[in-house]
Amino acid sequence: DAKTTQPTSMDCAEGRAANLPCNHSTISGNEYVYWYRQIHSQGPQYIIHGLKNNETNEMASLIITEDRKSSTLILPHATLRDTAVYYCIVRGNTGGFKTIFGAGTRLFVKA
Amino acid sequence: GAVVSQHPSRVICKSGTSVKIECRSLDFQATTMFWYRQFPKQSLMLMATSNEGSKATYEQGVEKDKFLINHASLTLSTLTVTSAHPEDSSFYICSASGAGSNQPQHFGDGTRLSIL
Repeated sequence: DAKTTQPTSMDCAEGRAANLPCNHSTISGNEYVYWYRQIHSQGPQYIIHGLKNNETNEMASLIITEDRKSSTLILPHATLRDTAVYYCIVRGNTGGFKTIFGAGTRLFVKA
Repeated sequence: GAVVSQHPSRVICKSGTSVKIECRSLDFQATTMFWYRQFPKQSLMLMATSNEGSKATYEQGVEKDKFLINHASLTLSTLTVTSAHPEDSSFYICSASGAGSNQPQHFGDGTRLSIL
């Protein structure tokens, strides 16, 4: 079973920041938080990952709470092409580095 | 960035046929490769994990004799759906990663398999 909980769907206005929350209250010390997204009929795309520090790359920012029990993916200026299902995943050496997908959050970016 | 190539992108074949899907990591060595299946409007379901040179580890409920996985090199893994039937029709996706939990998985674009 997936170890994360995400809202089923969210809306965001184009040009605004999209903040996608994720709960992972049972995360272990050696597990990273990963975010992927899947645009319809394509393979998932890696976005960002982190262990305990906040991370930023050209696609997004990842904010992890100090207790590591939750995190937020931030798309700073959402575009229509960011409409996708976003998956938050915890992954570590427990279980052989497997990536187990939950239901994810369906983000709709509206003009 | 890291690229994973999956081939073919779409297959349509008759019931009883065996179908092979290839997954290649183009610009990095993949210590581990994963195979997923995705039905319409559902999330990805992990089928098996394979490490180069060793037997694949299948998830519960996945028939290893039905879904043959070979991971002969650090850049290639194959999934063969043997004696495919209409219920095997699905979207199959592979991914590859380097060693360690700090290495992201990179996914192929998937193979849409339709069994008539």
